[in-house]
Parts: sequence; structure tokens; C-alpha cells
Amino acid sequence: GESVGLHLPTLSVQEGDNSIINCAYSNSASDYFIWYKQESGKGPQFIIDIRSNMDKRQGQRVTVLLNKTVKHLSLQIAATQPGDSAVYFCAENRNYGGSQGNLIFGKGTKLSVKP
Amino acid sequence: SQTIHQWPATLVQPVGSPLSLECTVEGTSNPNLYWYRQAAGRGLQLLFYSVGIGQISSEVPQNLSASRPQDRQFILSSKKLLLSDSGFYLCAWNSRLLSYEQYFGPGTRLTVT
Repeated sequence: GESVGLHLPTLSVQEGDNSIINCAYSNSASDYFIWYKQESGKGPQFIIDIRSNMDKRQGQRVTVLLNKTVKHLSLQIAATQPGDSAVYFCAENRNYGGSQGNLIFGKGTKLSVKP
Repeated sequence: SQTIHQWPATLVQPVGSPLSLECTVEGTSNPNLYWYRQAAGRGLQLLFYSVGIGQISSEVPQNLSASRPQDRQFILSSKKLLLSDSGFYLCAWNSRLLSYEQYFGPGTRLTVT
């Protein structure tokens, strides 16, 4: 089964507010995490990543926080815009048996932005 | 820059018919290649991955198969489609040097009737 799960399947926010999407993982050996954004009918797009030796990483309007103690990952979107409406997936990297680069995806959170 | 292509974009096939989905990557060499399936409203399920020509690893048992006849070409096939094969199929690649971030294609929407 999937080890990366999401606390909330749907999230509705007002335009201009901040959004926080959460993710839990179970494999403490995972060393790399990614957040993807998937708009309807399209492939996932990379948003931001973080390695396990970091607690926080910031991008443009997005911040990822990693809490290794409780194995929790979050994506914060500042000043949420209608264009942010999408499904967001977290994914963890597991290198096993010579298969580099395999990712384990969570189920996704659908973010809806109300104008 | 690197680009990834998938075709067709949409496909409607009857049960029992064959399937062939193609994925090609441009602008890179020796990529890792991946096939995922996504059911409606669900996450991504890894079906196959390949680290080189002719090298295919299967993640889940199914009636699908994959092949990599060329370095930057990845094909997903089936001899006889099932209703349960319906879904959104995504191809992805990443660099063996980086081995982490995966880049996804636009996907193929398959409906088996």
C-alpha cells in the first residue's frame, strides 16, 4: 500500500488567503520529497522539493516544511489565486534494489479557490 | 530543453481489443522512464519503469506490458483490454544523474467500453 497519505482530500480557500496542504509519510528512510500540482486532464507538474537534511524550503509563493520527527510534510501557498486550483500530490523517493528515482505518491488533495 | 510526448491524447477502445500507447522524450539521453496509471480522483500507480533499452521492471501484476525499443521511447501495450484498464496513463522520465524529480507527459485518457 501507499505510505504517503494526505490528511485532507479536499480543501476550499478564499482567494488571497494562504493554503496549507498536509502529507504524512511512513518510511523514515525516505530522503527526498516532492510536491506536484495536477490540473484537470493534465500531467502533474513539479512545484517544489525538499531533501531530508532540510526542514524548510521556499519557492515563489510556496513553502514546503518537513518535520522528520513526526514524518509530516506540508505545502504552504501564499495569497492563493484561482490558478492554484488543482490536485496536489506529495511524493517520496525510495531507492530500492537498483531502481533509482522511483517515487511513491500520496492520494492527492483537491484545492478549490473561491473568488 | 527536454520535452516529453505522449499519444494519443484520448482513446476509446472496446473490451478485448489491443492497446499501444507511446511515449517519447527529447533533449536528454539515457533517461529512466516510467508508466503510471491514474484512476479518476485517485493518486498515481506506478506500472512499469525502465532504466535502459530492453530493461523493464513491473510494479504490479496486470494484463499490460511495456517495452523500450529505443533509448527515448517507451511503449505501453495490451493484447486484450479489460474494462478495468480505463484510466489516465502518464509517462514520466528523470535523469539517472539526478534520480529524483520526475517530469510527466500530458497523459492519455483511455476509456474501455
